[in-house]
Amino acid sequence: GAGVSQTPSNKVTEKGKYVELRCDPISGHTALYWYRQSLGQGPEFLIYFQGTGAADDSGLPNDRFFAVRPEGSVSTLKIQRTERGDSAVYLCASSRQGGQPQHFGDGTRLSIL
Amino acid sequence: SQQGEEDPQALSIQEGENATMNCSYKTSINNLQWYRQNSGRGLVHLILIRSNEREKHSGRLRVTLDTSKKSSSLLITASRAADTASYFCATDKNSGNTPLVFGKGTRLSVIA
Repeated sequence: GAGVSQTPSNKVTEKGKYVELRCDPISGHTALYWYRQSLGQGPEFLIYFQGTGAADDSGLPNDRFFAVRPEGSVSTLKIQRTERGDSAVYLCASSRQGGQPQHFGDGTRLSIL
Repeated sequence: SQQGEEDPQALSIQEGENATMNCSYKTSINNLQWYRQNSGRGLVHLILIRSNEREKHSGRLRVTLDTSKKSSSLLITASRAADTASYFCATDKNSGNTPLVFGKGTRLSVIA
């Protein structure tokens, strides 16, 4: 497809477990962003990649969160020792080199029981 | 943290009426964008206005920007039931690729 693809669409797991969320950006988009959206709120920035490297990870809440983009396309957001407060929709977006707008996937709804 | 606030938080109108949503932000910006989000879906880009622009149109959408007041408005004319969604403003500080800072959104309900 032509859009940003995120898998899984839903993830339910127990507190303390490890989860991986995947984002497949639009082909040719060099910038990739992860955001987190809680119920009734706007998305909040987590981390942004330019190519393979993390250009800005200032939004990651703590060291349990980590993201990679080893080949400059697909990215994986990894959360260790999940907590109930991690429950949210995790959104991925991509954009072309040079700026905006950002194109969003439908997100992964993560529920920590 | 969120950059700004949308106003109102929720808006309910009849089909055919105009809907106006406002956004305020706190710091200087490069661009301001409006996005739409249907329930359970990702955000869809609607319109981008640069900091040196004051007004922009796209179809039934009209966006204004007042950098002196750090505010923007989104007007949807002749609303349709399909316009029912949440609308977010988002700002970026720098040119090029940069993260967006979103407001909390306005939930618009258009009643047929």
